[in-house]
Amino acid sequence: GEDVEQSLFLSVREGDSSVINCTYTDSSSTYLYWYKQEPGAGLQLLTYIFSNMDMKQDQRLTVLLNKKDKHLSLRIADTQTGDSAIYFCAEQASGTYKYIFGTGTRLKVLA
Amino acid sequence: DAGVIQSPRHEVTEMGQEVTLRCKPISGHNSLFWYRQTMMRGLELLIYFNNNVPIDDSGMPEDRFSAKMPNASFSTLKIQPSEPRDSAVYFCASSRTVDTEAFFGQGTRLTVV
Repeated sequence: GEDVEQSLFLSVREGDSSVINCTYTDSSSTYLYWYKQEPGAGLQLLTYIFSNMDMKQDQRLTVLLNKKDKHLSLRIADTQTGDSAIYFCAEQASGTYKYIFGTGTRLKVLA
Repeated sequence: DAGVIQSPRHEVTEMGQEVTLRCKPISGHNSLFWYRQTMMRGLELLIYFNNNVPIDDSGMPEDRFSAKMPNASFSTLKIQPSEPRDSAVYFCASSRTVDTEAFFGQGTRLTVV
């Protein structure tokens, strides 16, 4: 069945790198997304990767995709206190509207 | 563009009352989604519209829930009668086409007492 799993919590010190991991099960997924949710706010699309890519970099964000292991990660370089939020990964099968969201990883950045 | 706009941001109502949540999608987007977020169940897709037509409402929990999209720039999610277990954050999202990235509104935090 479809399932997306993430660890619930991650704590890092300001200036360090954060790595948030996600595993998914649907091998037909074409797009994989990372969303950020700050307290009391909606989900903000951070970045996405197409399934035929291994890596995508966007400023401080690096997305790595291991399609064989169905493993997705989000690396945040030089993590700042403003990065504290819940991060959701989501998979979307090709040509469909359905997003399957993970449970979210709560990132806490310590000053 | 102002993004997806939802109203109200917060709603507190008594059990048994009717609740209407509103959403204005991003102009030019033809797909609209309603999600519900709770601690226990995470993000759940309630209903999906394409070109104002409901395509999949299998996520709507009960007949007490209904959604409409009378035109391309407006959608409502109605709960009648509301129950305490409906308390959650309800998100509306829109996308340009069915298989492109979705943009979320700020959400409506509903509390039913």
